[in-house]
Amino acid sequence: AQSVTQLDSHVSVSEGTPVLLRCNYSSSYSPSLFWYVQHPNKGLQLLLKYTSAATLVKGINGFEAEFKKSETSFHLTKPSAHMSDAAEYFCVVSEASGGYNKLIFGAGTRLAVHP
Amino acid sequence: DAGVIQSPRHEVTEMGQEVTLRCKPISGHNSLFWYRQTMMRGLELLIYFNNNVPIDDSGMPEDRFSAKMPNASFSTLKIQPSEPRDSAVYFCASIRGQGSGATNEKLFFGSGTQLSVL
Repeated sequence: AQSVTQLDSHVSVSEGTPVLLRCNYSSSYSPSLFWYVQHPNKGLQLLLKYTSAATLVKGINGFEAEFKKSETSFHLTKPSAHMSDAAEYFCVVSEASGGYNKLIFGAGTRLAVHP
Repeated sequence: DAGVIQSPRHEVTEMGQEVTLRCKPISGHNSLFWYRQTMMRGLELLIYFNNNVPIDDSGMPEDRFSAKMPNASFSTLKIQPSEPRDSAVYFCASIRGQGSGATNEKLFFGSGTQLSVL
């Protein structure tokens, strides 16, 4: 079975500094990996998706993630944090199950951005 | 496009009462998912419908939970009787495809229903 582990439950950064949200995956084959973001009182929104086309994936709002097979990692980064980036971020892996692709969500990382 | 619409946004009820949560997926999306989010367990898939048919209900916690999708534009999640441990945020999500092979795995989520069972 596929799984993802988000290594930090909370991350706090100052506005304008880099963001790093860590995710490790467990998969028996080349996985599809995603990052979703959830702003307060909102549903989840797709940030970016990796499906083996390129190891560096660019997403919305300046976020990107790099797939590293040797490290089984898919960390999310952004060069400069903005106050509006404060949210919860979920690393997600896709698992083939019963004829469809089931998304397995990590526990989430809450990002706080301070002025 | 209005997006995935869930109602109500908030529901407060007493233990033992029946609760019905509603979802309208995005028009043209033929797959619908119900998720439950809690602090303790994170985001859990409850049930998945494809073309109005339940495909995977292995995440439904127990018989008190039931879900229906009578047509392509409407789904309900019912809890009867409700218990305090059912308190959570319930999300509905929809997608085009799946079932016969996913071509697009971007889920569109509704804003959720915050359920509190007292």
